[in-house]
Amino acid sequence: ELKVEQNPLFLSMQEGKNYTIYCNYSTTSDRLYWYRQDPGKSLESLFVLLSNGAVKQEGRLMASLDTKARLSTLHITAAVHDLSATYFCAVEGWDGGSQGNLIFGKGTKLSVKP
Amino acid sequence: EPEVTQTPSHQVTQMGQEVILRCVPISNHLYFYWYRQILGQKVEFLVSFYNNEISEKSEIFDDQFSVERPDGSNFTLKIRSTKLEDSIMYFCASSEEPGYEANTIYFGEGSWLTVV
Repeated sequence: ELKVEQNPLFLSMQEGKNYTIYCNYSTTSDRLYWYRQDPGKSLESLFVLLSNGAVKQEGRLMASLDTKARLSTLHITAAVHDLSATYFCAVEGWDGGSQGNLIFGKGTKLSVKP
Repeated sequence: EPEVTQTPSHQVTQMGQEVILRCVPISNHLYFYWYRQILGQKVEFLVSFYNNEISEKSEIFDDQFSVERPDGSNFTLKIRSTKLEDSIMYFCASSEEPGYEANTIYFGEGSWLTVV
């Protein structure tokens, strides 16, 4: 059974600080996704990381994928209050069939305080 | 920016009633999905749909559920006889055909179902 584990599940940061969210998954997968969710809202796509170990950056967020370690990280640089949200990683439950069966982690609830 | 739209945003229904949740995927997308989420918690896959048929479904997607693309634009999730535990947020999503490098899966705003 494919498992996706995120840590920490809760993260309280001060503005201006750096931190990393970790996402471990238990089997091989073609793609790893990071999403952001504000309370009561949709899942906003942040990054799609392919199995070639790509590193992607958007503003204060940078995501990386280590396929050998089955680990992805989401690094937050100089956090600001607007980054407060829940961040999910997800992996395709690829079984040789269709794509898009995403297995999600439990999410990391990030709170950035002034 | 193109988006996935869902209706209704919130529906209250009586236990045992049938409910249909509607979704309009992004127009050039070929893969469609339904997911569900207990508020703020883990997101769970229900079903994927491609070429007018179910391509994959989870254990959650039992005989109570069905999906359909009735008119080439809408994608619907039907819950035949709702139970109290069906009170949850349902997300529709869509994506382009596999093979595209930036094959993001886009989610709608969600339909919150309350069964009373």
